[in-house]
Amino acid sequence: RKEVEQDPGPFNVPEGATVAFNCTYSNSASQSFFWYRQDCRKEPKLLMSVYSSGNEDGRFTAQLNRASQYISLLIRDSKLSDSATYLCVVNQAGTALIFGKGTTLSVSS
Amino acid sequence: DAGVIQSPRHEVTEMGQEVTLRCKPISGHNSLFWYRQTMMRGLELLIYFNNNVPIDDSGMPEDRFSAKMPNASFSTLKIQPSEPRDSAVYFCASSRPGWEDAEAFFGQGTRLTVV
Repeated sequence: RKEVEQDPGPFNVPEGATVAFNCTYSNSASQSFFWYRQDCRKEPKLLMSVYSSGNEDGRFTAQLNRASQYISLLIRDSKLSDSATYLCVVNQAGTALIFGKGTTLSVSS
Repeated sequence: DAGVIQSPRHEVTEMGQEVTLRCKPISGHNSLFWYRQTMMRGLELLIYFNNNVPIDDSGMPEDRFSAKMPNASFSTLKIQPSEPRDSAVYFCASSRPGWEDAEAFFGQGTRLTVV
């Protein structure tokens, strides 16, 4: 079983839509959680960290459920510029970041 | 801030040749990571260093791959001999002390094609 699993998509949505991505991780010892964004032919960049209490950054909301080993990302009022691949990322103390394969989002006008 | 610098950006080589990829991490960052990305397998961790010491190289595919970090400002990933299945984008990333909660900054990657 892969350590971090995501639905690859693609998710095709119109501008203004709300879209949610989910991710599961296999190692219960994982301690830190992130969402990264990767544009086509570019490097991954941090979108937001994910905290147990849930956190929001503008149109983006991230949630963590440790009991279910599940992470989510909600994007409200989608923009064309949100089109990208979203990578779910976890790590444990003393290890490097482990990436999911990503979920592709395409927002159309 | 120059960010993580990788070279070359693109490399095309013939099967059997040696390939060396280079990385300069962000100054002050003490953790450095090498990742490989393909469509089929996504982003895979190859190796990571902490304070110039290799901590986990379990992701290195086989003996043809080797990585070094002779000092805090430079790392190399070498493939010898290269094979077509090594074709991928290789990313280097670095993060600061206390990196478990810290952001990892990626270089722009080296796109390697082995023909």
